[in-house]
Amino acid sequence: SQELEQSPQSLIVQEGKNLTINCTSSKTLYGLYWYKQKYGEGLIFLMMLQKGGEEKSHEKITAKLDEKKQQSSLHITASQPSHAGIYLCGAPNTGTASKLTFGTGTRLQVTL
Amino acid sequence: SQTIHQWPATLVQPVGSPLSLECTVEGTSNPNLYWYRQAAGRGLQLLFYSVGIGQISSEVPQNLSASRPQDRQFILSSKKLLLSDSGFYLCAWRGAAWTEAFFGQGTRLTVV
Repeated sequence: SQELEQSPQSLIVQEGKNLTINCTSSKTLYGLYWYKQKYGEGLIFLMMLQKGGEEKSHEKITAKLDEKKQQSSLHITASQPSHAGIYLCGAPNTGTASKLTFGTGTRLQVTL
Repeated sequence: SQTIHQWPATLVQPVGSPLSLECTVEGTSNPNLYWYRQAAGRGLQLLFYSVGIGQISSEVPQNLSASRPQDRQFILSSKKLLLSDSGFYLCAWRGAAWTEAFFGQGTRLTVV
């Protein structure tokens, strides 16, 4: 089955700093979703990347899909306390595209 | 616009009692529907998914079942809850174009 590994698992950055979160798939990626979650709440959809090389932005958050590396990266510029939370990537399963598999998440803390 | 409703938000149930969590979607037709469980930590475990009325795929054999009696309704059930069923349950839908996938606010279930 397809697995998504996120790195790092947790991250503490100072406000104003940039950061990158990676999501690597064990199999071919046919698209990738990024979400943000506050503790105890539902997942907030950030963006979906469909094609290799595609790059999208949502406010100060930018994500890119590298099909060859089977990887997506999410980059936050000039982090703010409002960026704190858990970031999760999800992807349709290779072979059974109706299934959506998720990574284990990256917990981001932003310090003042 | 599309909306997903999931209820209740919190639930405390005794061991051995039945369970019924409901999820409904508005503003779309023939969505893919999903039930996930999130244990302490971050990962999302896919429990069930459905591509159409009456079509349920089970990912993890366990004490739970799912049903889709209507196109935009997805129900998670159990006849007798176990302590290990405690967790944060999330419903999600994905439209036909698969460019977006949205989550409900989640139900925190505590089995006592």
